[in-house]
Amino acid sequence: GQNIDQPTEMTATEGAIVQINCTYQTSGFNGLFWYQQHAGEAPTFLSYNVLDGLEEKGRFSSFLSRSKGYSYLLLKELQMKDSASYLCAVDRGSTLGRLYFGRGTQLTVWP
Amino acid sequence: SQTIHQWPATLVQPVGSPLSLECTVEGTSNPNLYWYRQAAGRGLQLLFYSVGIGQISSEVPQNLSASRPQDRQFILSSKKLLLSDSGFYLCAWRPPRTSSFEQYFGPGTRLTVT
Repeated sequence: GQNIDQPTEMTATEGAIVQINCTYQTSGFNGLFWYQQHAGEAPTFLSYNVLDGLEEKGRFSSFLSRSKGYSYLLLKELQMKDSASYLCAVDRGSTLGRLYFGRGTQLTVWP
Repeated sequence: SQTIHQWPATLVQPVGSPLSLECTVEGTSNPNLYWYRQAAGRGLQLLFYSVGIGQISSEVPQNLSASRPQDRQFILSSKKLLLSDSGFYLCAWRPPRTSSFEQYFGPGTRLTVT
């Protein structure tokens, strides 16, 4: 079966740094995605990793270790608007784009 | 630029009634299309995907079906809704070529079955 785990909730204060972890066990792997989802809205794409290492995009960075089945999303200089659910998803491979999502990590940023 | 539309935005339907949700994509050709459901307290679950007109693959057995009558139109249907069909339904698209793996989501339809 497919298993994607991430913490249910995290809290942090404005201006801080937070790391959201994701571990996965899937049959097939063609990359790992991070999406941000505000309450009641659709997910928006944040990052995609298919090779090991760190990808940086402004305040957000994402890391992947394929041998460990592990990824993290790093958010720097947190802002109130970063309060949202962060979804980890694995593409199981081929060209079909079948994504399997974890349950999401609800991040609350306090002033 | 590409845009994706879904309607209706919200829907309240009684148990046993039929369902039809529509998704259309503009500004691209031959996209891969996807239907996901997000039930309360659960992650996004892939329901169906399509790589072309009339080509539908189901990921999980359920009370729902999907169709793709036109290149950029994807429809989710049910003949008789169950209470467990309640949830947030999201359509997504991805460019057909594998140079871009990102999926882009529509605004979603929130379905409540009563």
